[in-house]
Amino acid sequence: EVQLVESGGGWVQPGGSLRLSCAASGFTFNTYSMNWVRQAPGRGLEWISYGSYTSVTKTYADSVRGRFTISRDNARNELYLQMNTLRVEDTAVYYCVRGLEYMESTVTGTRWFDSWGQGTLVTVSS
Amino acid sequence: QSVLTQPPSVSAAPGQKVTISCSGSFNIANNFVSWYQQLPGTAPKLLIFDNHKRPSGIPDRFSASKSGTSATLVITGLQTGDEVDYYCATWDNSLSAVVFGGGTKLTVL
Repeated sequence: EVQLVESGGGWVQPGGSLRLSCAASGFTFNTYSMNWVRQAPGRGLEWISYGSYTSVTKTYADSVRGRFTISRDNARNELYLQMNTLRVEDTAVYYCVRGLEYMESTVTGTRWFDSWGQGTLVTVSS
Repeated sequence: QSVLTQPPSVSAAPGQKVTISCSGSFNIANNFVSWYQQLPGTAPKLLIFDNHKRPSGIPDRFSASKSGTSATLVITGLQTGDEVDYYCATWDNSLSAVVFGGGTKLTVL
């Protein structure tokens, strides 16, 4: 069974940093592209980052580019999201989401999202 | 305001059929569409991929299609358990990003 378990969420002041982790199990992690998708309270879904299975291709939404960094450790089966210069509008539940297997480009690697973690809440507030 | 436009809410009676539209532009016309179902307080679940395909375990009461710049999700034989939120998604070449619709809340009357 595919499992994605996020951790690292919490409260942080504006301008602060936070690092989210996602522990993957139940599948061959190093062959799948991975994503982060967030959902602000009472709002819709927002895709924010993609990382190919090779870690060569990394793509970001305009709203987080230059502040967030996606990375992965295939030996540990873990995905990360380093979030810097956090803003109040970054407050959301952050989901770790599996993309497609053996896809490098973002267009093909994000054709669908078939497995989601339970999410971790990030609250940015003073 | 989302790049993909969905009706905020739709409703129908138990056992009936409902359609949820997802209107876009070149994004939908040129790329695959997927649909997700989200129960309150839980993570979204993949319902439809590649415009019309169902993952294993998704009942055939759920179907979808795409035509031009719009996509449609159809749910037949409505059940009270279907009364949750639905989102469409696709790649947007102009934004170089995955875009989601604003979501549609289904009410089973």
